[in-house]
Amino acid sequence: GENVEQHPSTLSVQEGDSAVIKCTYSDSASNYFPWYKQELGKGPQLIIDIRSNVGEKKDQRIAVTLNKTAKHFSLHITETQPEDSAVYFCAASKVTSYDKVIFGPGTSLSVIP
Amino acid sequence: DAGITQSPRHKVTETGTPVTLRCHQTENHRYMYWYRQDPGHGLRLIHYSYGVKDTDKGEVSDGYSVSRSKTEDFLLTLESATSSQTSVYFCAIGSGGPTDTQYFGPGTRLTVL
Repeated sequence: GENVEQHPSTLSVQEGDSAVIKCTYSDSASNYFPWYKQELGKGPQLIIDIRSNVGEKKDQRIAVTLNKTAKHFSLHITETQPEDSAVYFCAASKVTSYDKVIFGPGTSLSVIP
Repeated sequence: DAGITQSPRHKVTETGTPVTLRCHQTENHRYMYWYRQDPGHGLRLIHYSYGVKDTDKGEVSDGYSVSRSKTEDFLLTLESATSSQTSVYFCAIGSGGPTDTQYFGPGTRLTVL
């Protein structure tokens, strides 16, 4: 079945610097890759997603890139701010498998003012 | 949290007792999911529902059962709680299946002594 790995598990950056989180997946049939942000004491919230027919997607300071050949995708946050501090989860799924929304283990991002 | 409530928010129970967690939505979304979140594992799907009385297993369904008698409610039952089921449980809803945005509830912290 699908397996999603995520690195690093923890990441500290200075305010204003960029942060990059990388995920790899194992099932070449996966075609949907969302990223979720979880603040302390809350449920995860979708921040950006990408589908397999697109190589890159951007939304203000957040971007996601997808390399289908290498089976990896990355989250890029530019000009980080203290409110970006949270746990970020990547995930992979495919339309034919309702039970296969597989999440990575998470990355705890700390932005130091 | 996108019109999703979970109850209770916190529960402490003893090994061997039955426990039911409730998820209630006001969004009229077709899909509902139960996840558990444990350190180092991210979010793992327990069960999901794709309509009233239509449910199926996720990757960690052993020891859990679910029911959905109304569009707005999705119940998760631990028939006989064990210490390994100590976790934070999240309900999620969505309109488009596994390749669409999922909206998460605030979570229920369950401790089994």
